[in-house]
Amino acid sequence: DAKTTQPPSMDCAEGRAANLPCNHSTISGNEYVYWYRQIHSQGPQYIIHGLKNNETNEMASLIITEDRKSSTLILPHATLRDTAVYYCIVKLRGSARQLTFGSGTQLTVLP
Amino acid sequence: DAGVTQSPTHLIKTRGQQVTLRCSPKSGHDTVSWYQQALGQGPQFIFQYYEEEERQRGNFPDRFSGHQFPNYSSELNVNALLLGDSALYLCASSLSVVSGGNEQFFGPGTRLTVL
Repeated sequence: DAKTTQPPSMDCAEGRAANLPCNHSTISGNEYVYWYRQIHSQGPQYIIHGLKNNETNEMASLIITEDRKSSTLILPHATLRDTAVYYCIVKLRGSARQLTFGSGTQLTVLP
Repeated sequence: DAGVTQSPTHLIKTRGQQVTLRCSPKSGHDTVSWYQQALGQGPQFIFQYYEEEERQRGNFPDRFSGHQFPNYSSELNVNALLLGDSALYLCASSLSVVSGGNEQFFGPGTRLTVL
């Protein structure tokens, strides 16, 4: 599975959009981009995934560049409860594949 | 709909002891994966069980073993505990690929402290 690079930390004002970048320059054509988050001392929570088209669900939007070498997770209106470590993971589709977590980005939403 | 449950929530053991952690998958899920998360790090994959067999294994020693039962629940066993085994142990469940599964759902974890 391709490796990912994320900034170690970011701050965001409450109510503003949080844009979390992820670099995955070695991604292969059949690998998906997944995002999980982990609120302190809880298990990781699935957020969203995509292949090459932009995706949106009730939690977030995922923007993948045309060359698929990077992506951005967007939380449109961040709240204090969105403070967490966000992990960008690249892997083949299907639950048989293990998740390889990096260090993630610590997002702190400020009041 | 119950999500993934794990027991116990916290556990304290001493070096050399053995420990068993338990996981009940989300309703309808047939695949269980175990991860170890040391303080300040991302989760690391230990192994995955499907149809009561270990299907994949990460870079963990044989002291780490597991089991899956016919009802899809799972156990993680760690023998000869070391101080370095202190971590949050996470269980994740999913549908198998043949069943169209994709994302994994995580439980709250078991915090193991080895003294």
